Amino acid sequence: GAVVSQHPSRVICKSGTSVKIECRSLDFQATTMFWYRQFPKQSLMLMATSNEGSKATYEQGVEKDKFLINHASLTLSTLTVTSAHPEDSSFYICSASSQGNTDTQYFGPGTRLTVL
Amino acid sequence: GESVGLHLPTLSVQEGDNSIINCAYSNSASDYFIWYKQESGKGPQFIIDIRSNMDKRQGQRVTVLLNKTVKHLSLQIAATQPGDSAVYFCAESKGGSYIPTFGRGTSLIVHP
Repeated sequence: GAVVSQHPSRVICKSGTSVKIECRSLDFQATTMFWYRQFPKQSLMLMATSNEGSKATYEQGVEKDKFLINHASLTLSTLTVTSAHPEDSSFYICSASSQGNTDTQYFGPGTRLTVL
Repeated sequence: GESVGLHLPTLSVQEGDNSIINCAYSNSASDYFIWYKQESGKGPQFIIDIRSNMDKRQGQRVTVLLNKTVKHLSLQIAATQPGDSAVYFCAESKGGSYIPTFGRGTSLIVHP
C-alpha cells in the first residue's frame, strides 16, 4: 500500500516551454503533497507544500509564478514549470501524506526534467 | 534544520561487513527521525524511523540509534549487501509539522 506515482518519469523540453508533472497517490487519500527538487549529488530541497483544495505554501526562494502547483483532488497534485530554462533542469520528486498518518511521507519515483 | 551539503560523503565497505552511517541534526525540538535510501534515478525509500522517546530501534538488518544529547543519529546495516549501495538520507521533523528536513546524505558503496 501507500504508493505514489509520478508522470512522466523523464521529460526533455525546449527552453521557454512549460512542463507539467503529475503526482498521484494510488491507494490512499493524500491530504498533503510535497514537491522537492534535487540536484545531482545533493539532498532534497523542499519547494512547496500543498493541501487539497487550497493554495500551495512555497518555501523561501521558490518562485510561485514559476512553479505552479495545483492540488485539485485528494489523489492528484501537479507541478507546472513555466517558461522552463536550462537551469530548471533537475530531478523533481513529490511525496504525499495521509490524514491518518501525517508523520509519514510516501515518495514518488521522481521526474527527470532536462531543458535544452 | 540540517544544511544541504554540496557534496556527498562516501562510505565504502566490503560485502558482508557492517555499515554505520552517521547524521547530525541541528534542531533540538525535532522529535521524529527517519532514514531513507535513495537509489540512482529513483525517489527516496523509507527504511526505518525513530521517535525521540527512544534511543534505539531495530528493523530487518538495520538499527537506528538516536543520541539526543549530541543531536546525533546513526543507521547501522548488518551484513551489507551490494543491493544496499545507494545514497542514505536522514530526515528530522517536529511532531505535527510533518515536514521533514533532509540531511546531506551519504553514499554507500558495497564492494562484492
